Amino acid sequence: NAGVMQNPRHLVRRRGQEARLRCSPMKGHSHVYWYRQLPEEGLKFMVYLQKENIIDESGMPKERFSAEFPKEGPSILRIQQVVRGDSAAYFCASSPAHHQETQYFGPGTRLLVL
Amino acid sequence: AQSVTQPDIHITVSEGASLELRCNYSYGATPYLFWYVQSPGQGLQLLLKYFSGDTLVQGIKGFEAEFKRSQSSFNLRKPSVHWSDAAEYFCAVGARTNAGKSTFGDGTTLTVKP
Repeated sequence: NAGVMQNPRHLVRRRGQEARLRCSPMKGHSHVYWYRQLPEEGLKFMVYLQKENIIDESGMPKERFSAEFPKEGPSILRIQQVVRGDSAAYFCASSPAHHQETQYFGPGTRLLVL
Repeated sequence: AQSVTQPDIHITVSEGASLELRCNYSYGATPYLFWYVQSPGQGLQLLLKYFSGDTLVQGIKGFEAEFKRSQSSFNLRKPSVHWSDAAEYFCAVGARTNAGKSTFGDGTTLTVKP
């Protein structure tokens, strides 16, 4: 059973470009969470999604950031018009529907904005 | 709102010595509590978790943690540290009413001296 997969592992963008980060949850998991880790800091919750629904987006910046988890395919975290402050590691986690408290983390995508 | 404090930013111990990493949380009721380990450039691996029952929790790699409600603490311990334990350690709290949204501490970096 493959773990949580994220791609790309590293992403370089210039200011103003768009960044798309993908997360494939573990097989059988229907809950996905996105976290951001800035240098020298812990993980900060961004958004919690179930298939086709955003459950909690209280940690998402109000502008430029969006997330989706379609019926088919991976979850996508999209950052429009990136700025240098968006440079961070973005981690995805997934959990099964009946054990939401136990999250399994992917390896992360490290975004660098030049 | 829930919060987590890891008072020690950096700890250095000698190989074979015992280890204790501190974690204090703030939450209105009994939370879910977790310890994760992160090696450089990697994702997070769950070491152990507390949900209920026995307050002394055993985890992987010889780690254990003790939940002390009176002190709002969940300290991580290991009797004898190995060089491969050098990494960053994160304590996290999850709300029972919204288990998918974990709050992380800022982490403790462990260095192991030979």
